[in-house]
Amino acid sequence: AQSVTQLDSHVSVSEGTPVLLRCNYSSSYSPSLFWYVQHPNKGLQLLLKYTSAATLVKGINGFEAEFKKSETSFHLTKPSAHMSDAAEYFCVVRGYSSASKIIFGSGTRLSIRP
Amino acid sequence: GAVVSQHPSWVICKSGTSVKIECRSLDFQATTMFWYRQFPKQSLMLMATSNEGSKATYEQGVEKDKFLINHASLTLSTLTVTSAHPEDSSFYICSAILADTQYFGPGTRLTVL
Repeated sequence: AQSVTQLDSHVSVSEGTPVLLRCNYSSSYSPSLFWYVQHPNKGLQLLLKYTSAATLVKGINGFEAEFKKSETSFHLTKPSAHMSDAAEYFCVVRGYSSASKIIFGSGTRLSIRP
Repeated sequence: GAVVSQHPSWVICKSGTSVKIECRSLDFQATTMFWYRQFPKQSLMLMATSNEGSKATYEQGVEKDKFLINHASLTLSTLTVTSAHPEDSSFYICSAILADTQYFGPGTRLTVL
Protein backbone atom coordinates (compact mmCIF):
# COMPACT_ATOMS: atom_id res chain seq x y z
CA ALA A 1 0.00 0.00 0.00
CA GLN A 2 1.11 3.50 -0.67
CA SER A 3 0.31 6.84 0.86
CA VAL A 4 1.60 10.35 0.86
CA THR A 5 1.31 13.02 3.55
CA GLN A 6 1.83 16.71 3.03
CA LEU A 7 2.65 18.05 6.42
CA ASP A 8 1.46 21.62 5.95
CA SER A 9 -1.87 22.66 4.49
CA HIS A 10 -0.68 26.26 4.15
CA VAL A 11 2.75 27.85 3.95
CA SER A 12 3.35 31.59 3.80
CA VAL A 13 6.74 33.11 3.02
CA SER A 14 8.04 36.52 2.05
CA GLU A 15 9.14 37.18 -1.49
CA GLY A 16 12.83 36.44 -1.88
CA THR A 17 13.01 34.00 1.04
CA PRO A 18 13.38 30.21 0.80
CA VAL A 19 10.45 27.88 0.31
CA LEU A 20 10.09 24.47 1.96
CA LEU A 21 7.05 22.28 1.29
CA ARG A 22 7.16 19.01 3.18
CA CYS A 23 6.08 15.60 1.93
CA ASN A 24 6.41 12.16 3.49
CA TYR A 25 5.53 8.97 1.70
CA SER A 26 4.87 5.36 2.49
CA SER A 27 5.49 2.62 -0.04
CA SER A 28 6.20 -1.07 0.09
CA TYR A 29 8.65 -0.78 -2.79
CA SER A 30 10.83 1.85 -4.36
CA PRO A 31 8.41 4.60 -5.28
CA SER A 32 8.17 7.12 -8.05
CA LEU A 33 7.45 10.54 -6.61
CA PHE A 34 6.25 13.72 -8.22
CA TRP A 35 5.49 17.32 -7.36
CA TYR A 36 2.79 19.15 -9.28
CA VAL A 37 1.67 22.78 -9.05
CA GLN A 38 -1.85 24.03 -9.63
CA HIS A 39 -2.71 27.67 -10.11
CA PRO A 40 -6.32 28.72 -9.45
CA ASN A 41 -8.84 27.17 -11.82
CA LYS A 42 -6.06 25.54 -13.82
CA GLY A 43 -4.85 22.02 -14.42
CA LEU A 44 -1.75 20.55 -12.81
CA GLN A 45 1.73 21.24 -14.09
CA LEU A 46 4.59 18.85 -13.44
CA LEU A 47 7.38 20.49 -11.44
CA LEU A 48 9.69 17.52 -11.07
CA LYS A 49 9.82 13.77 -10.62
CA TYR A 50 11.94 11.15 -8.92
CA THR A 51 12.16 7.71 -10.49
CA SER A 52 15.11 6.03 -8.73
CA ALA A 53 17.86 7.93 -10.49
CA ALA A 54 19.60 10.86 -8.74
CA THR A 55 18.19 11.57 -5.29
CA LEU A 56 18.38 15.34 -5.79
CA VAL A 57 15.95 16.26 -8.51
CA LYS A 58 15.88 19.64 -10.20
CA GLY A 59 12.66 20.88 -11.68
CA ILE A 60 11.25 23.87 -13.44
CA ASN A 61 11.09 27.43 -12.09
CA GLY A 62 14.00 26.89 -9.71
CA PHE A 63 12.36 24.17 -7.63
CA GLU A 64 14.14 21.05 -6.49
CA ALA A 65 13.41 18.10 -4.23
CA GLU A 66 15.52 15.54 -2.46
CA PHE A 67 14.52 11.91 -2.07
CA LYS A 68 15.56 10.67 1.37
CA LYS A 69 14.80 7.01 1.80
CA SER A 70 15.87 6.89 5.44
CA GLU A 71 13.38 9.65 6.26
CA THR A 72 10.77 8.60 3.68
CA SER A 73 10.63 12.21 2.61
CA PHE A 74 10.52 14.13 -0.65
CA HIS A 75 10.47 17.78 0.39
CA LEU A 76 10.20 20.53 -2.22
CA THR A 77 12.45 23.57 -1.94
CA LYS A 78 13.25 26.79 -3.73
CA PRO A 79 15.98 29.20 -2.65
CA SER A 80 14.07 32.40 -3.33
CA ALA A 81 10.29 32.72 -3.59
CA HIS A 82 8.66 34.74 -6.31
CA MET A 83 5.16 36.17 -6.29
CA SER A 84 4.26 33.92 -9.21
CA ASP A 85 4.96 30.85 -7.05
CA ALA A 86 1.73 31.39 -5.13
CA ALA A 87 -0.34 28.29 -5.91
CA GLU A 88 -1.39 24.88 -4.63
CA TYR A 89 1.29 22.19 -4.61
CA PHE A 90 0.64 18.46 -4.65
CA CYS A 91 3.05 15.69 -3.73
CA VAL A 92 2.24 12.45 -5.53
CA VAL A 93 3.37 8.83 -5.22
CA ARG A 94 2.88 6.32 -8.00
CA GLY A 95 2.56 2.61 -8.11
CA TYR A 96 4.85 0.03 -9.62
CA SER A 97 4.20 0.65 -13.29
CA SER A 98 3.73 3.78 -15.31
CA ALA A 99 0.07 2.85 -15.85
CA SER A 100 -0.57 2.54 -12.13
CA LYS A 101 -2.82 4.90 -10.26
CA ILE A 102 -1.21 7.78 -8.49
CA ILE A 103 -1.91 8.84 -4.93
CA PHE A 104 -2.23 12.54 -4.24
CA GLY A 105 -1.30 14.34 -1.09
CA SER A 106 -3.85 16.71 0.33
CA GLY A 107 -2.04 19.70 -1.07
CA THR A 108 -0.15 22.69 0.35
CA ARG A 109 -1.22 26.19 -0.44
CA LEU A 110 1.77 28.48 -0.84
CA SER A 111 1.25 32.17 -0.22
CA ILE A 112 3.90 34.78 -0.97
CA ARG A 113 4.00 38.00 1.02
CA PRO A 114 5.34 41.11 -0.77
CA GLY B 1 5.75 18.07 -25.76
CA ALA B 2 3.28 16.22 -23.52
CA VAL B 3 0.37 18.58 -23.92
CA VAL B 4 -3.09 17.49 -22.85
CA SER B 5 -6.11 19.55 -23.76
CA GLN B 6 -9.68 19.50 -22.54
CA HIS B 7 -12.80 20.83 -24.13
CA PRO B 8 -14.79 22.69 -23.08
CA SER B 9 -12.95 24.64 -20.40
CA TRP B 10 -16.24 25.43 -18.74
CA VAL B 11 -19.86 24.46 -19.28
CA ILE B 12 -23.17 25.39 -17.69
CA CYS B 13 -26.12 23.08 -18.20
CA LYS B 14 -29.60 22.48 -16.90
CA SER B 15 -30.40 19.70 -14.49
CA GLY B 16 -31.29 16.48 -16.30
CA THR B 17 -29.21 17.11 -19.40
CA SER B 18 -26.02 15.32 -20.42
CA VAL B 19 -22.62 16.90 -20.89
CA LYS B 20 -19.63 15.53 -22.77
CA ILE B 21 -16.07 16.51 -21.90
CA GLU B 22 -13.19 15.71 -24.23
CA CYS B 23 -9.61 14.98 -23.27
CA ARG B 24 -6.96 14.91 -25.96
CA SER B 25 -3.26 14.18 -25.96
CA LEU B 26 -2.03 16.64 -28.57
CA ASP B 27 1.48 15.51 -29.34
CA PHE B 28 1.62 11.92 -28.15
CA GLN B 29 -0.44 8.76 -28.04
CA ALA B 30 -1.90 7.59 -24.77
CA THR B 31 -3.27 4.11 -24.24
CA THR B 32 -4.22 5.08 -20.70
CA MET B 33 -5.91 8.23 -19.53
CA PHE B 34 -7.34 9.10 -16.14
CA TRP B 35 -10.34 11.16 -15.09
CA TYR B 36 -10.35 13.09 -11.83
CA ARG B 37 -12.80 15.24 -9.98
CA GLN B 38 -11.76 18.11 -7.74
CA PHE B 39 -13.92 19.88 -5.20
CA PRO B 40 -13.04 23.41 -4.07
CA LYS B 41 -9.90 23.60 -1.98
CA GLN B 42 -9.48 19.83 -2.08
CA SER B 43 -7.16 17.37 -3.70
CA LEU B 44 -7.98 15.41 -6.82
CA MET B 45 -10.16 12.32 -6.59
CA LEU B 46 -9.61 9.61 -9.18
CA MET B 47 -12.87 8.66 -10.87
CA ALA B 48 -11.78 6.15 -13.47
CA THR B 49 -8.98 4.81 -15.61
CA SER B 50 -9.68 4.97 -19.32
CA ASN B 51 -8.03 2.38 -21.56
CA GLU B 52 -7.99 2.67 -25.33
CA GLY B 53 -10.16 0.04 -26.95
CA SER B 54 -11.53 -1.41 -23.75
CA LYS B 55 -13.87 -0.61 -20.91
CA ALA B 56 -12.90 1.95 -18.33
CA THR B 57 -12.08 0.91 -14.78
CA TYR B 58 -14.08 2.87 -12.25
CA GLU B 59 -13.12 3.64 -8.70
CA GLN B 60 -15.29 2.45 -5.88
CA GLY B 61 -18.30 4.67 -5.40
CA VAL B 62 -18.25 6.13 -8.91
CA GLU B 63 -21.40 5.33 -10.89
CA LYS B 64 -20.37 3.96 -14.26
CA ASP B 65 -23.81 4.56 -15.75
CA LYS B 66 -23.69 8.19 -14.76
CA PHE B 67 -20.13 8.93 -15.80
CA LEU B 68 -19.70 7.30 -19.21
CA ILE B 69 -16.13 7.05 -20.44
CA ASN B 70 -15.11 6.27 -23.99
CA HIS B 71 -11.51 5.95 -25.15
CA ALA B 72 -11.98 5.30 -28.83
CA SER B 73 -8.59 6.41 -30.07
CA LEU B 74 -5.06 6.78 -28.80
CA THR B 75 -5.44 10.53 -28.48
CA LEU B 76 -9.01 11.01 -27.26
CA SER B 77 -11.00 10.04 -24.20
CA THR B 78 -14.42 11.42 -23.41
CA LEU B 79 -16.35 11.70 -20.17
CA THR B 80 -20.11 12.09 -20.43
CA VAL B 81 -22.01 13.15 -17.35
CA THR B 82 -25.49 11.80 -17.93
CA SER B 83 -28.62 13.29 -16.41
CA ALA B 84 -26.55 15.87 -14.61
CA HIS B 85 -27.66 17.24 -11.26
CA PRO B 86 -26.36 20.17 -9.21
CA GLU B 87 -24.28 17.82 -7.06
CA ASP B 88 -22.32 16.89 -10.19
CA SER B 89 -21.04 20.45 -10.39
CA SER B 90 -17.29 20.25 -10.04
CA PHE B 91 -13.92 20.69 -11.70
CA TYR B 92 -13.09 17.68 -13.89
CA ILE B 93 -9.49 17.04 -14.88
CA CYS B 94 -8.05 14.38 -17.15
CA SER B 95 -4.50 13.14 -17.50
CA ALA B 96 -2.53 11.00 -19.92
CA ILE B 97 0.64 9.02 -19.49
CA LEU B 98 3.82 9.68 -21.42
CA ALA B 99 7.18 8.19 -20.53
CA ASP B 100 6.35 7.23 -17.01
CA THR B 101 4.63 10.48 -16.07
CA GLN B 102 1.04 11.70 -15.94
CA TYR B 103 0.39 14.98 -17.72
CA PHE B 104 -2.78 16.83 -16.86
CA GLY B 105 -5.28 18.75 -18.89
CA PRO B 106 -6.34 22.27 -17.89
CA GLY B 107 -9.62 21.07 -16.43
CA THR B 108 -13.31 21.60 -17.18
CA ARG B 109 -15.56 23.53 -14.82
CA LEU B 110 -19.06 22.02 -14.87
CA THR B 111 -21.93 23.92 -13.34
CA VAL B 112 -25.34 22.28 -13.26
CA LEU B 113 -28.27 24.58 -12.60
